[in-house]
Amino acid sequence: GQNIDQPTEMTATEGAIVQINCTYQTSGFNGLFWYQQHAGEAPTFLSYNVLDGLEEKGRFSSFLSRSKGYSYLLLKELQMKDSASYLCAVYSNSGYALNFGKGTSLLVTP
Amino acid sequence: SAVISQKPSRDICQRGTSLTIQCQVDSQVTMMFWYRQQPGQSLTLIATANQGSEATYESGFVIDKFPISRPNLTFSTLTVSNMSPEDSSIYLCSVDKDRERGNTEAFFGQGTRLTVV
Repeated sequence: GQNIDQPTEMTATEGAIVQINCTYQTSGFNGLFWYQQHAGEAPTFLSYNVLDGLEEKGRFSSFLSRSKGYSYLLLKELQMKDSASYLCAVYSNSGYALNFGKGTSLLVTP
Repeated sequence: SAVISQKPSRDICQRGTSLTIQCQVDSQVTMMFWYRQQPGQSLTLIATANQGSEATYESGFVIDKFPISRPNLTFSTLTVSNMSPEDSSIYLCSVDKDRERGNTEAFFGQGTRLTVV
């Protein structure tokens, strides 16, 4: 099985930086994803990490440490529209579907 | 990328009835996945739909309750049978079109918001 843990809720201020952590336990790790989901909408892809290190894409960056079973999503220059749920998901060799964490609900305040 | 059309987008149904959700992809894909997202929760995989064979169900989900069809490589349906209020959720279909070619992004349909009364 797989355990994927991330904080339930976070609050940050507009213009600030926030880091959302994700830890996982899985056999046969084959990649980690971050998705953004606004209320009532489908998840949208943010990032993918399969090797250790930092992947940067505009205001969003994602980091992976396979030895520690750890990832984080870094959001810079926060905007009000970044208020959403952020889902950490893991691929493993034991299946073909993504396994999702419970999601972190981020609230950006003025 | 992959464009996925899922319908209906929402429905309100009476308990005891069944609803069939359709998912159409704009290109051929080997596997399609059906997820459920209960209120305030993350996505839970229901089953994997393979063309030409029976769907593979995850623990806690059975074919009698969630029958799945996969008649070709671009289409799948999920039926929620004999519904109860506990089935009120968002149901999402998903594909990872390019995994066979090393691109592993998963794409999602718009979701079906089901309310059972």
